[in-house]
Amino acid sequence: KAGVTQTPRYLIKTRGQQVTLSCSPISGHRSVSWYQQTPGQGLQFLFEYFSETQRNKGNFPGRFSGRQFSNSRSEMNVSTLELGDSALYLCASRRQGSGANVLTFGAGSRLTVL
Amino acid sequence: GNSVTQMEGPVTLSEEAFLTINCTYTATGYPSLFWYVQYPGEGLQLLLKATKADDKGSNKGFEATYRKETTSFHLEKGSVQVSDSAVYFCALTLSGSARQLTFGSGTQLTVLP
Repeated sequence: KAGVTQTPRYLIKTRGQQVTLSCSPISGHRSVSWYQQTPGQGLQFLFEYFSETQRNKGNFPGRFSGRQFSNSRSEMNVSTLELGDSALYLCASRRQGSGANVLTFGAGSRLTVL
Repeated sequence: GNSVTQMEGPVTLSEEAFLTINCTYTATGYPSLFWYVQYPGEGLQLLLKATKADDKGSNKGFEATYRKETTSFHLEKGSVQVSDSAVYFCALTLSGSARQLTFGSGTQLTVLP
C-alpha cells in the first residue's frame, strides 16, 4: 500500500514569491495534517483538513493556507515568501476509527527561500 | 499549555550499548504519547505509542512506559545498532484522534560500530 506522497521533494524560491506544496494521503485516509520543521523551532503544527474542511489551525500567519480536495489530496500554499519560511514541510494522514490517533508522515518537501 | 521536553543531544553510543532518551511532558488533560524516528533525508516514522497511564509501547527492541506520576515517557533500548542512528522525537496529543501533535525538540542519536 502506497504511503503518503509529497511533491515536490525539493524546491528553491526567492523572497516575495509564493509556493504550493502537494500531499497525497494513504488511500482511504481522509484527514491530512501539515507540519513545519526548522532547526530553530522544531516541528510545529500548521493545519489539519478533513473532508475538505479545515478542522484545526496552528499559530502561523495568514500567508500560510491550505485546502483539501474531494479525493483527500491536500495542498498548502505560502505567499510572499520570507527567508524564515525555509523549512521541511511534512504532511501526515490518518484514518478514521480504530487507530485514528496514529499519523503517517510523508518524506517532506524541503523549501529553500533565497 | 502543552509541551514536551526531551533530553538534549547529540547522544553518541557504541554498538550494543544501552540507550535511554528522556522525555517529560506537560499537558492539561490525559494525553496519548508517541515516539517518532526520523532517518536522514526522510520523514517521521512512528516508533511506538501509549494511550493511557502505565501502558508500555514497544517496537523493534525499543520500549517506553507512560508514567503519569512523573509525567514521563522515556525511550529505552537494551542494545543499540548502527542502524538506529537517527533523530528521535517524543510527542503528545490531547485529542483522541491525534488532530494536533506537540513535539519535543528531538534527540540526535549516533551509534558507532
